[in-house]
Amino acid sequence: EAQVTQNPRYLITVTGKKLTVTCSQNMNHEYMSWYRQDPGLGLRQIYYSMNVEVTDKGDVPEGYKVSRKEKRNFPLILESPSPNQTSLYFCASSSAEGLAGDSEQFFGPGTRLTVL
Amino acid sequence: AQKVTQAQTEISVVEKEDVTLDCVYETRDTTYYLFWYKQPPSGELVFLIRRNSFDEQNEISGRYSWNFQKSTSSFNFTITASQVVDSAVYFCALSDYGNKLVFGAGTILRVKS
Repeated sequence: EAQVTQNPRYLITVTGKKLTVTCSQNMNHEYMSWYRQDPGLGLRQIYYSMNVEVTDKGDVPEGYKVSRKEKRNFPLILESPSPNQTSLYFCASSSAEGLAGDSEQFFGPGTRLTVL
Repeated sequence: AQKVTQAQTEISVVEKEDVTLDCVYETRDTTYYLFWYKQPPSGELVFLIRRNSFDEQNEISGRYSWNFQKSTSSFNFTITASQVVDSAVYFCALSDYGNKLVFGAGTILRVKS
């Protein structure tokens, strides 16, 4: 089954304690990205990757890091989480082929993060 | 820059009423895609529709229909004969060059029995 998986699904942590949210896809997609969802703001892109070893900032990258060492994995790293990073996080993947926006985006189930 | 506006923050209807969710977008590109996603209380994002900028035909899928009007930069979503299971947050989104999605703020739909 084609899917994007995220772990953990729920996480409560404290300010300053480094954490990693994993994202994996089994569709051999080139493009992967991270979004955060906040009330009244919709989803905003944090980082994206066009392929292995190619990553770039989205609209709200401050306080986050990513890496793309393998095509299937795209972890999101919070080196020193702060309460304003409390949010619902989604990983997404899609094929890079075709016209812009033509490829269906597959979303993971979401990770609800609370930073105390 | 791209922008998506969903002016309705929250809508409440009684079951069997029809409801329209508005979406207005901004982009300078001539090639772009518009999307609607549903987010039920369980939190996952459910893909509903993707429409490219060259196809202005209205789309109907069961009780769902979409009205795309380039002249007003709108891509509105109508649910006919709403049901309690339609209660969710609905997001409109835009994608032009690249695979990035720009989302609206979302509309909370509450359908009461």
